[in-house]
Amino acid sequence: DADVTQTPRNRITKTGKRIMLECSQTKGHDRMYWYRQDPGLGLRLIYYSFDVKDINKGEISDGYSVSRQAQAKFSLSLESAIPNQTALYFCATTRGTTHTDTQYFGPGTRLTVL
Amino acid sequence: DAKTTQPNSMESNEEEPVHLPCNHSTISGTDYIHWYRQLPSQGPEYVIHGLTSNVNNRMASLAIAEDRKSSTLILHRATLRDAAVYYCILVKTSYDKVIFGPGTSLSVIP
Repeated sequence: DADVTQTPRNRITKTGKRIMLECSQTKGHDRMYWYRQDPGLGLRLIYYSFDVKDINKGEISDGYSVSRQAQAKFSLSLESAIPNQTALYFCATTRGTTHTDTQYFGPGTRLTVL
Repeated sequence: DAKTTQPNSMESNEEEPVHLPCNHSTISGTDYIHWYRQLPSQGPEYVIHGLTSNVNNRMASLAIAEDRKSSTLILHRATLRDAAVYYCILVKTSYDKVIFGPGTSLSVIP
C-alpha cells in the first residue's frame, strides 16, 4: 500500500463550489504539506503542519484552508473554487527533524474548476 | 530566500551518463542541497541530497562545488525510466521555505 494517499485523484467542479481534498499517510510522520503544481511553474507550498495543533501558511495560501484532523490526515479545502485554482495538488509528509529528511509525496489530485 | 536555477530541458542517449546542473549562488551555510524527480503522472520522489561533500547512492551521484554555489546530479547510465523532471532544491530544517522551481525536463533517447 502507498505511504501517502490522496482522494479524490481527479475532480471536476464548478466555480463557487466548496471542495475538499484529503490526504492520509502511514509513515507516522508529524509534518505534512500541501503543494500546488501548475504547468511550467514547479511546485508551490500552500499550507504545512508540523503536528496536529500546528498550521502554517505557505507561499500561496489565499483562497485555501486546511484541517489537520489527526497525525495521519491533512485536508485541503477550497471554500469557493475559482477557475485559476485549476491545478495538480500534491500532499507530502516528512519526519522533518533535520535538513536530511526526505519528503514523501502522494500521487496527486487533478482539480478542474469550470 | 536562496533560489536555484536549472536548464529547462536536457536530452541524453540511453545508457550514457547524464550531468544535470544546478546553480544556487545565494545558498546559505545551513542549506542542504536536495534533488527530487517527478516521473510522468506521479508525485515527486527523492533522489539524493548533500551539504558539502560529494554523495553517491543507488540512484545517482551528487557533485557539489567547493564554494557550494552550484551542484551537479549525475545519472551514471540513463535509462528510459529516468525520463522525468528533475528538481534541485535547497532545504533548511523544516521544508517551510522550500521552493521547487520549474526543474529540468530530461528526455532519454533510445
